[in-house]
Amino acid sequence: QLTQSPSSLSASVGDRVTITCRASQDISTYLAWYQQKPGKAPELLIYGASTLQSGVPSRFSGSGSGTEFTLTISSLQPEDFATYYCQQLNSFLFTFGPGTKVDIK
Amino acid sequence: QVTQSGAEVKTPGSSVRVSCKASGGTFTSHVFSWVRQAPGQGLEWMGVIVPAYSAQNYGQKFQGRVSISADASTTTFFMDVTSLTPDDTAIYYCAVADIQFWKFGRFDSWGQGALVTVSS
Repeated sequence: QLTQSPSSLSASVGDRVTITCRASQDISTYLAWYQQKPGKAPELLIYGASTLQSGVPSRFSGSGSGTEFTLTISSLQPEDFATYYCQQLNSFLFTFGPGTKVDIK
Repeated sequence: QVTQSGAEVKTPGSSVRVSCKASGGTFTSHVFSWVRQAPGQGLEWMGVIVPAYSAQNYGQKFQGRVSISADASTTTFFMDVTSLTPDDTAIYYCAVADIQFWKFGRFDSWGQGALVTVSS
């Protein structure tokens, strides 16, 4: 089981945004983060809890291990307004968190 | 790169097969995960196939109703869903990872999604 907080947030361009994902058991660093925009397939941002996927802007970063993880956007840009999901890959079961919608304040 | 099959309209009680073809790499270098998204809802993981290990696994909700398979000769991966109900109406995605990185979640290529509509 994964939980995400907050479920939604309103922020302004240039804001620092942090999203938290919590696992119900220790999943080491077997966690990924995705961004999804309306009508599009999800896009991988972070894997292994903290490794930035090639081509993803450096304003995105991931941290954490065990049961608590964070995705941080250091300076929110207009193209970052989207829904963000964490996914755990423990014990051959790959569940997603419920998502965090980031919209414009 | 992943090429996914197109939209389907099905009646309740029927089955659907969604396919994804991987380009590049070898058959055993890929790991395919299947995900669906009902209208206005979040992402729901359905299952995974790891050809290098001859292994599949399924989300608990889908055990017994979903089957994932593959054709090595064409590097095409399939997901069959049986006993469809209107609640199965969703966009179905496949996502592929390299065998070296799948455990860390590096599913970096996604199909465009296939809308499956279940209606009488």
